Amino acid sequence: QSVLTQPPSASGTPGQRVTISCSGSRSNIGSNNVNWYQQLPGTAPKLLIYSNNQRPSGVPDRFSGSKSGTSASLAISGLQSEDEGDYYCATWDDSLNSPLVFGTGTKVTVL
Amino acid sequence: EVQLVESGGGLVKAGGSLRLSCAASGFTFSNVWMNWVRQAPGKGLEWVGRIKSKTDGGTKDYAGTVKGRFTISRDDSKNTLFLQMNSLKTEDTAVYYCTTDSEYFDVLTGSQRMLDYWGQGTLVTVSS
Repeated sequence: QSVLTQPPSASGTPGQRVTISCSGSRSNIGSNNVNWYQQLPGTAPKLLIYSNNQRPSGVPDRFSGSKSGTSASLAISGLQSEDEGDYYCATWDDSLNSPLVFGTGTKVTVL
Repeated sequence: EVQLVESGGGLVKAGGSLRLSCAASGFTFSNVWMNWVRQAPGKGLEWVGRIKSKTDGGTKDYAGTVKGRFTISRDDSKNTLFLQMNSLKTEDTAVYYCTTDSEYFDVLTGSQRMLDYWGQGTLVTVSS
């Protein structure tokens, strides 16, 4: 079981803003930066946000990230139908046998 | 363009072995740390392990769930990453992805890393 907790689902209508939380602890989010991955249906995951709030080249600025203490968030503004998929937070944990940990994942549905 | 192509997946009985490969192109493979991440059917992502570049020591790290059974290696002359899986269990059934692992620097936290490119994955099914 993951040490990073995300809500199992989130939804919104086109154009709305959706926020996904990622809750951890001092040894992971509290000590390291958070990355976010997007997995669209039937495809491999893709890096969406790194260093808490940085977007790789090609990622629309509708996607934004933030971190505070032992929690992080991903926001999708101006939700679009093509944003429907699964989103995972990830970071490193200084205390576990598995240095890299992923969140439980959140399925985003566009209504 | 970075390309990662996994192969070697298939059906194997519990207790058996399988070796996965990941052919890399579009970047200087020998300089890059590499990871394996897996995803069981209908489940989330699970980190399997990583191997550093030889210039960074070539160290290997594994998740507790696979330590002692799986071995990651690399052939820099062939730009290929491997995952040798032994003593397979039904719970190892998953799509296995290889990823690049790149470093960046943050003013507050120092050296950090990200899994920036992913292959399309290869399915491993372990039957009982």
